[in-house]
Amino acid sequence: GDSVTQMEGPVTLSEEAFLTINCTYTATGYPSLFWYVQYPGEGLQLLLKATKADDKGSNKGFEATYRKETTSFHLEKGSVQVSDSAVYFCALSDPPDMRFGAGTRLTVKP
Amino acid sequence: GAGVSQSPSNKVTEKGKDVELRCDPISGHTALYWYRQRLGQGLEFLIYFQGNSAPDKSGLPSDRFSAERTGESVSTLTIQRTQQEDSAVYLCASSRHMGTANSYEQYFGPGTRLTVT
Repeated sequence: GDSVTQMEGPVTLSEEAFLTINCTYTATGYPSLFWYVQYPGEGLQLLLKATKADDKGSNKGFEATYRKETTSFHLEKGSVQVSDSAVYFCALSDPPDMRFGAGTRLTVKP
Repeated sequence: GAGVSQSPSNKVTEKGKDVELRCDPISGHTALYWYRQRLGQGLEFLIYFQGNSAPDKSGLPSDRFSAERTGESVSTLTIQRTQQEDSAVYLCASSRHMGTANSYEQYFGPGTRLTVT
């Protein structure tokens, strides 16, 4: 079945460092891909999404490009901030449910 | 507008007791989902409701788990005879519609943290 494999954490970076969190997927069809973020004590929030190959999702300085040839949707940010500390989940839409990765905990230190 | 709300936020129960978790979706959202998130792990799909259609129960881990939804409003997840392995955060999400356009965003509630002692 469809699945998502996400880079294991935790990841610890200094402020202004470059971030990459890897995500690859397995799907039989043409899923939509998502990154969700979970800040401490809060529920999951959609960070960005891409609905077809070569689409780039972006939000709050984060970007991810839907790469069909490598079945990947890696999350990147050029300069992280302390406020980006959270758990990040890669997901794909496999109707009716979503398949989520295990989550990657990011800690950004000042 | 109001987001997805869940209650209680925390629940501690003794092994063997029944618990009921509640989810209030965003008004107008026809699709509702329950997930389980064990400590340090990803989200595990449990059940999905879409309008008045029969729910997709394929993710429920055992017959101790059941869920109901009244129309397109409140849903309750019931766990009977709780076990310690049921300890987790239970997340509810709703979305406008889950049809062929599969990119509809899910809006998550803050979750209910269940601890079975």
